[in-house]
Amino acid sequence: NAGVTQTPKFQVLKTGQSMTLQCAQDMNHEYMSWYRQDPGMGLRLIHYSVGAGITDQGEVPNGYNVSRSTTEDFPLRLLSAAPSQTSVYFCASSYSRRTGDYEQYFGPGTRLTVT
Amino acid sequence: GQNIDQPTEMTATEGAIVQINCTYQTSGFNGLFWYQQHAGEAPTFLSYNVLDGLEEKGRFSSFLSRSKGYSYLLLKELQMKDSASYLCAARIVTTSGTYKYIFGTGTRLKVLA
Repeated sequence: NAGVTQTPKFQVLKTGQSMTLQCAQDMNHEYMSWYRQDPGMGLRLIHYSVGAGITDQGEVPNGYNVSRSTTEDFPLRLLSAAPSQTSVYFCASSYSRRTGDYEQYFGPGTRLTVT
Repeated sequence: GQNIDQPTEMTATEGAIVQINCTYQTSGFNGLFWYQQHAGEAPTFLSYNVLDGLEEKGRFSSFLSRSKGYSYLLLKELQMKDSASYLCAARIVTTSGTYKYIFGTGTRLKVLA
């Protein structure tokens, strides 16, 4: 199992550009989440999904869109990048009906800089 | 609102025991998770508590008191590789009956030789 994969690992954008951060998991988890991590702020929830076709907002959703068309993939779209979106982005997945476990597995992160 | 508090930094000596506290005020609380995060890496799962009491996993133990909104992570026989950030996270039941996770800001632990 690859676990949770994220691409790209690093990205530099100019203000106003758009892009999609990719996230995929091969553990058949139902729950997937996107977090951003800034110094001194901990992990903040952007959007999450409890299954294909179902998404909801977290604590800091503005400026980001998500969709979940398959169980495996949960891309995060930045619509018009702003310097305030400079951060490290983590994707996480959890919950398998088979195991009943709710621990989250995190991807390696995407380090995004917006200039 | 949802709030989770942890100390920002702690320092301890190799071979010692350290306790990292976490207090929370949340609605829909349904469990408390601890993660370890080394600098520049992703968080990895350590432990979780749903019911009151102590859960032990090798050198790591975690305790929960739901009535007090309090948890701690206990690390025994500290090793240099335990130098990392420790994140406390509450699992919350949403109004639609699903789960989401709210994290504290993390405690940076330095282990000294």
